[in-house]
Amino acid sequence: DTGVSQNPRHKITKRGQNVTFRCDPISEHNRLYWYRQTLGQGPEFLTYFQNEAQLEKSRLLSDRFSAERPKGSFSTLEIQRTEQGDSAMYLCASSGGGSLNSPLHFGNGTRLTVT
Amino acid sequence: DQQVKQNSPSLSVQEGRISILNCDYTNSMFDYFLWYKKYPAEGPTFLISISSIKDKNEDGRFTVFLNKSAKHLSLHIVPSQPGDSAVYFCAASGPSQGGSEKLVFGKGTKLTVNP
Repeated sequence: DTGVSQNPRHKITKRGQNVTFRCDPISEHNRLYWYRQTLGQGPEFLTYFQNEAQLEKSRLLSDRFSAERPKGSFSTLEIQRTEQGDSAMYLCASSGGGSLNSPLHFGNGTRLTVT
Repeated sequence: DQQVKQNSPSLSVQEGRISILNCDYTNSMFDYFLWYKKYPAEGPTFLISISSIKDKNEDGRFTVFLNKSAKHLSLHIVPSQPGDSAVYFCAASGPSQGGSEKLVFGKGTKLTVNP
């Protein structure tokens, strides 16, 4: 168990560019989440996968955002035509096991800065 | 609409004393509550949780109390240690359409334990 891994750790991009982040969850976890955290706020839910199926999306996830988990393992989050308001820490988390209530395990995040 | 509220942005205590962090929630459908600890440049780390069928859960120096009628929970750390200095997030989850266990987070309380 090496924990949840996110890459890159930091990304600086110019407004209007596309960016893609990757998340590798804990290997036996079938549930994967993306969150966004801005300064002074707690993490905010963006989207949820169970295996490869994307089952929930927050209204925070505009049309410029897309997430995939093609084989039910790693996941990618793409932001198209980035805006300065997209600057935030993007956190990935995973959970699994038989129990319905199991804690989410977070990665160290990808910090996005849009200039 | 902030469903999970941590009204104290910061708390400072002396090493060896008790730290009490508070959290209020508004959604009566929440049935699972968690505390996370976050160090700078790292993702949130799970600390302790409690189900709504209980009113107390203890793990070493950490105890979480749940008062469902008041929609209030608290985290007690005894004795507090300098290494406990971090931002503490309260989080809650409940039934959702997609079946996820997505967490709703408070804004966090920054705990400083002074030697």
